[in-house]
Amino acid sequence: QKEVEQDPGPLSVPEGAIVSLNCTYSNSAFQYFMWYRQYSRKGPELLMYTYSSGNKEDGRFTAQVDKSSKYISLFIRDSQPSDSATYLCAMSAKERNYGQNFVFGPGTRLSVLP
Amino acid sequence: DARVTQTPRHKVTEMGQEVTMRCQPILGHNTVFWYRQTMMQGLELLAYFRNRAPLDDSGMPKDRFSAEMPDATLATLKIQPSEPRDSAVYFCASGLVRPQGPYEQYFGPGTRLTVT
Repeated sequence: QKEVEQDPGPLSVPEGAIVSLNCTYSNSAFQYFMWYRQYSRKGPELLMYTYSSGNKEDGRFTAQVDKSSKYISLFIRDSQPSDSATYLCAMSAKERNYGQNFVFGPGTRLSVLP
Repeated sequence: DARVTQTPRHKVTEMGQEVTMRCQPILGHNTVFWYRQTMMQGLELLAYFRNRAPLDDSGMPKDRFSAEMPDATLATLKIQPSEPRDSAVYFCASGLVRPQGPYEQYFGPGTRLTVT
C-alpha cells in the first residue's frame, strides 16, 4: 500500500460545478497537509496548506483535513476551465533530526469543460 | 517576482552521456529539493539540501546520480552515465524552513530529459 493514495482521474466536470478531490494516507504522523496545482508542462504550485485537522478556505478553494479518518479533501466551488490541471496532495511529518520531509500523492487530473 | 529557474528546459541525449541540470533557487531560501516526475512513479524526491549541506539523498541512484550546491545560488544534478530509464522531468524546488509549519516549496519549470 502506498503511503498516500489519490484517484488519478481524469475527472471531467462542467463549468460551474463543485469539484471534490481527495487523498487518503496511512502515516498517522503526518500533520501538515498541502494541495498543489500543476498545469501541463509546468512545475507544481502551492495552492493551500493546513495544519492538523479542520477546514481552511481561500476564495473558491476549501481544504479539509480529517486526521481520524486519514482523509483530506480539496473542494473547488464554481469551477472554471482555468482550473483544469493536475492536483497533487502532499503531506509532511516532522523528522526526528532533519526537519520535515514531503510525500506527494500521485495527482488527480481535472478537466473543467466550458 | 522571485522564481526558481532551471536550465536547460529540454535535453535530449544518448545513452551513456553525462547530463548536468542546473537550478537557481529563490534568493534567501535555505532549502533546495530535487524531484523526478514520471507518469508511472509520479513525483519522487531525489535529494534535498539545507544551507547547502546535503540532508537526504536516499532517493537517488548513487552509482550514477550526484547532487551538489557549489554556492547558495546554484544547485546541480548530474547523471553519469545516463540511461533511457532516466527519461523524466526533473524539478528543482526551493523553500524556507520556518520554526513552525512546513516548508513552502516553490518549484521551477523543470528540465525535460530524454535519453535515447
